[in-house]
Parts: sequence; structure tokens; C-alpha cells
Amino acid sequence: EAGVTQSPTHLIKTRGQQATLRCSPISGHTSVYWYQQALGLGLQFLLWYDEGEERNRGNFPPRFSGRQFPNYSSELNVNALELEDSALYLCASSLLGQLNSYNEQFFGPGTRLTVL
Amino acid sequence: RKEVEQDPGPFNVPEGATVAFNCTYSNSASQSFFWYRQDCRKEPKLLMSVYSSGNEDGRFTAQLNRASQYISLLIRDSKLSDSATYLCVVTRSSNTGKLIFGQGTTLQVKP
Repeated sequence: EAGVTQSPTHLIKTRGQQATLRCSPISGHTSVYWYQQALGLGLQFLLWYDEGEERNRGNFPPRFSGRQFPNYSSELNVNALELEDSALYLCASSLLGQLNSYNEQFFGPGTRLTVL
Repeated sequence: RKEVEQDPGPFNVPEGATVAFNCTYSNSASQSFFWYRQDCRKEPKLLMSVYSSGNEDGRFTAQLNRASQYISLLIRDSKLSDSATYLCVVTRSSNTGKLIFGQGTTLQVKP
């Protein structure tokens, strides 16, 4: 069974541009989560989508946004890129919108975004 | 203060050693607890959930102390392949969908 997939693997942008990152969840999973892992920092929760709706967002500015499509895949958009947005962006999916010990979040390999 | 705190290490141990990692969390309403493993430049993968009664999976033992808000992971008979960063993860009591990660503890097992 295919795991969570993300594209592109690497993305290089300049300050002020927009970046679009994509994620396809494991088949059957309806929830998609986005996390940012900046160098030297831990993983920070960005967004949670379930059944096409944004369920929760982390402490990030509005220029971080996204959406979930009817096939449960998801897109993360980052507008007006800043140098400090350079990070590994990880997408995860789970079976249900409720997190308990049986609904593990499975992570994709990530998109490494570099802002010059 | 970070909500989940870990000693970043690195812990350098010889093969066969026993090593213990500790983690503290500040929110007493935290509900679920996990240890994830992250290899260099790879995605995190669930190692094990942590239950109040403690749980064991092969060479790995996890303990939770809710009163002290403390989680531990014990690795026995360390293998070279155990070299990785170990992430302590908690969730809050409400359904936020959010995993709260510690900074991670780096383990390097040497031959």
C-alpha cells in the first residue's frame, strides 16, 4: 500500500514569491495535517484538514493557507515568502479526525523549501 | 517554556548499551503520548504509544508518570540501527488534530 506522498521533493523560491506544496494521503485516510520543521526547531503544527474543511491551524500567519480536495489530497500555499520560511514541510494523514492511540498520523517524506 | 521538553543530547553509546531518554510536558491536560523516531532528513515514524501502565515492545520500554508529567523511553541492547533522533510527542485533551513535538533527543550508537 502506498504511503503518504508529497511533491515536489525540493522547492527553491525567492523572497516575496508564492510556494505551493502538495500531499496525497494514504488511501482511505480522510484527515491531512501539515507541519513545519525549520532547522534547529522541532516540528510545528500548521494545519489540519478533514473532509474538505479546515479543522484547526497552528500559530502561523495567514499567508500560510491550504485546502483539501474531494479526493482528500491537500495543498499548502505560502504567500509572500520570507527567508525564515525555509524548512522541511511534512504532511501526515490519519484514518479519522480524532487522535488516539489507534489513529496514528503517518508522515510523508516532506518538501524541502528553500527561500533565497 | 516549551510545552514538551527533551534533552537534545547527543547520546553516544556503544553497541549493546542500555540508554534512557526523558521527556517532560507542561500541560496537565495532555491526553495521549507517543515516541516517534526520525532518521536524518527523513520523516518521523511512530515508534510506540505510551500508556499509563507502561508498555514494552521488544527492546523498547516506555513509561508515563502523569503526576510528574514525565515520559521515558528505555532502549536495551542498543543496535547501530537505533541511531536516530527520538521525538517525544503529546496531544491535548480536546480534539485538535495537533501533535505537539519535543525538540528530539539524538542517539548515536557506535560499534
